Amino acid sequence: TQLLEQSPQFLSIQEGENLTVYCNSSSVFSSLQWYRQEPGEGPVLLVTVVTGGEVKKLKRLTFQFGDARKDSSLHITAAQPGDTGLYLCAGQRGGGNKLTFGTGTQLKVEL
Amino acid sequence: DSGVTQTPKHLITATGQRVTLRCSPRSGDLSVYWYQQSLDQGLQFLIQYYNGEERAKGNILERFSAQQFPDLHSELNLSSLELGDSALYFCASSVGGPSVAFFGQGTRLTVV
Repeated sequence: TQLLEQSPQFLSIQEGENLTVYCNSSSVFSSLQWYRQEPGEGPVLLVTVVTGGEVKKLKRLTFQFGDARKDSSLHITAAQPGDTGLYLCAGQRGGGNKLTFGTGTQLKVEL
Repeated sequence: DSGVTQTPKHLITATGQRVTLRCSPRSGDLSVYWYQQSLDQGLQFLIQYYNGEERAKGNILERFSAQQFPDLHSELNLSSLELGDSALYFCASSVGGPSVAFFGQGTRLTVV
C-alpha cells in the first residue's frame, strides 16, 4: 500500500512553462519533505513543511502543505532544463523514525 | 556532495550470493538510514540505526541485515540474493530525525 500518491507520474514540458506536482494521502503527516533526484544520484532535500497551510518558496519553486497535513503541492514557475529530474515527496508520521516516500514525478523540461 | 559515502557504487552478483554494502555517514551524524529504490516499489525505508543501536525497521526482508559500528559507519548485508533484489540501495544520515537526512549516491545492485 502506497501511502503517498503523486501526480502526474510523468511530465514533459517546454522551458518557460509553469507546472504543479501533487502529493496526496489519506494519512496525516507531522512533516512533509520534497526531494529532487537526478540519475545516478541520491535524493536531495529541497524543503520541509511542518504546519498545515504552510507555504514555502525556494526561488521559482513554491511548496504548500495542506491544511489537514494530508497533502502537498510543488509549483514551479518558468521551468528550466535544470529543473529536470525525479521529484519525490516524503512524509513523517507522528514522531516516527521513518520517511514514507511518494510514488515520484519524473519531470523533463525541454528547450 | 552530501558528505555521505557509499561503497561500492556498482555491484553485480549471482543469485544465491551474499553481498555487503557500506555507508559512512556525515561527520557528526549519529543516525543512519537504509533505503531500497526499485522501479516497481519506489523508495522504501529498510532500517535505521542510531549510535550503534537499531531504532526503526521498515520493509526489510529476513535475508537482509544491518549493523552500525562504533565508528558510526554502517553495513547492509544482503544474503541468498534473488533477481528481485536488484535495486538501488541508499544510505542516509542525520543528526536528528529522518526529515533532515542527507543521502549518499547509492549502490546499484544487479543480481543475475
